[in-house]
Amino acid sequence: DAKTTQPPSMDCAEGRAANLPCNHSTISGNEYVYWYRQIHSQGPQYIIHGLKNNETNEMASLIITEDRKSSTLILPHATLRDTAVYYCIVRVGGTGGFKTIFGAGTRLFVKA
Amino acid sequence: DGGITQSPKYLFRKEGQNVTLSCEQNLNHDAMYWYRQDPGQGLRLIYYSQIVNDFQKGDIAEGYSVSREKKESFPLTVTSAQKNPTAFYLCASSIRAGTYEQFFGPGTRLTVL
Repeated sequence: DAKTTQPPSMDCAEGRAANLPCNHSTISGNEYVYWYRQIHSQGPQYIIHGLKNNETNEMASLIITEDRKSSTLILPHATLRDTAVYYCIVRVGGTGGFKTIFGAGTRLFVKA
Repeated sequence: DGGITQSPKYLFRKEGQNVTLSCEQNLNHDAMYWYRQDPGQGLRLIYYSQIVNDFQKGDIAEGYSVSREKKESFPLTVTSAQKNPTAFYLCASSIRAGTYEQFFGPGTRLTVL
């Protein structure tokens, strides 16, 4: 599975959009991009995933570049409760086993 | 409510003792996973299971063992062979292995004294 690169930390003002970047330059054609977040001492929470099209759900939007080498998670109106570590993951789909590689992630601080 | 439960939340054991961490899910998911997280680090995959009576080693399986006798349960045993067992252990499940979102339990913090 491809390795991802994320900034270690970011700040965002409450009510503003938080844009979290992720580089995955060695991603393969059959690998999906997933985003999870982890609030301190809790289990990670799934946010969104995509293959090559942009995706949106009630939590966030995922923008994947045309060459698929990078992506951006957008939290449109960040709140204090969005303060967490955000993980960008790429992994192969399908059956036959897979490995999910969680890196150190980006620690997002939402400030009032 | 459907979800994943892990118990206990905190667990203390003496060095040299085996300890089993519980993970139960009532989501009817086929796939289950165990991860280990050290302070300030990401998650590392220990074992995963795609279906009952089947499991595969992840990246750091040495010193750990699992069983999958029931669909709902995937217990992890941390053996005395694990050199540095103190960590936060997370269990997860997904409908099937592959491109499906994983649901995580609340975790068990194991401290070996």
